[in-house]
Amino acid sequence: EPEVTQTPSHQVTQMGQEVILRCVPISNHLYFYWYRQILGQKVEFLVSFYNNEISEKSEIFDDQFSVERPDGSNFTLKIRSTKLEDSAMYFCASREGGLLSNQPQHFGDGTRLSIL
Amino acid sequence: AQKITQTQPGMFVQEKEAVTLDCTYDTSDQSYGLFWYKQPSSGEMIFLIYQGSYDEQNATEGRYSLNFQKARKSANLVISASQLGDSAMYFCAMRDSDNYGQNFVFGPGTRLSVLP
Repeated sequence: EPEVTQTPSHQVTQMGQEVILRCVPISNHLYFYWYRQILGQKVEFLVSFYNNEISEKSEIFDDQFSVERPDGSNFTLKIRSTKLEDSAMYFCASREGGLLSNQPQHFGDGTRLSIL
Repeated sequence: AQKITQTQPGMFVQEKEAVTLDCTYDTSDQSYGLFWYKQPSSGEMIFLIYQGSYDEQNATEGRYSLNFQKARKSANLVISASQLGDSAMYFCAMRDSDNYGQNFVFGPGTRLSVLP
């Protein structure tokens, strides 16, 4: 069964450094998402992406965050200058279907980001 | 305002027994979708079951079923014949038409522990 893949599984970075989290969504999916989950807390929406542009973003997704789909398969989340509070699990998700589709979002296994 | 409420931070169930995990939601939309995800200790997010607001029947998927009470705005997950491998965090999530329904809003989760 096709799945969303995320790399790396764990990233350790010094505070202030840039980090890029990578995702390969399921190939026929059209909508892509990033979520984060701080340890022990609920999953929080960051950004959604469709047709090569951001379609929605949360208050968490400030100017230090950016997303890109550099080619036909990868979907990346960049954090420009990491802070301690960016330490979290970051999930990529994708789904097929139309604008108000009831298709589930399929999640990757996550990247655990640790900021030192 | 909290859109998804899961009032049980933790639940215990004996192996082979059934368990109900509560989820209530808040939306003014007529069209919305409710989803349940399982997050084992390894961290990945696994889609379990979906219920659409217009679905007349409660959703079922193997040992998982939804007790959907639209008037009460609740969508409780029922797991029958619990297994040790069911021990995990369980998240209820909703998609509605806020911001074109692009993202999910997750509840805080319920940690289920299955006892041998």
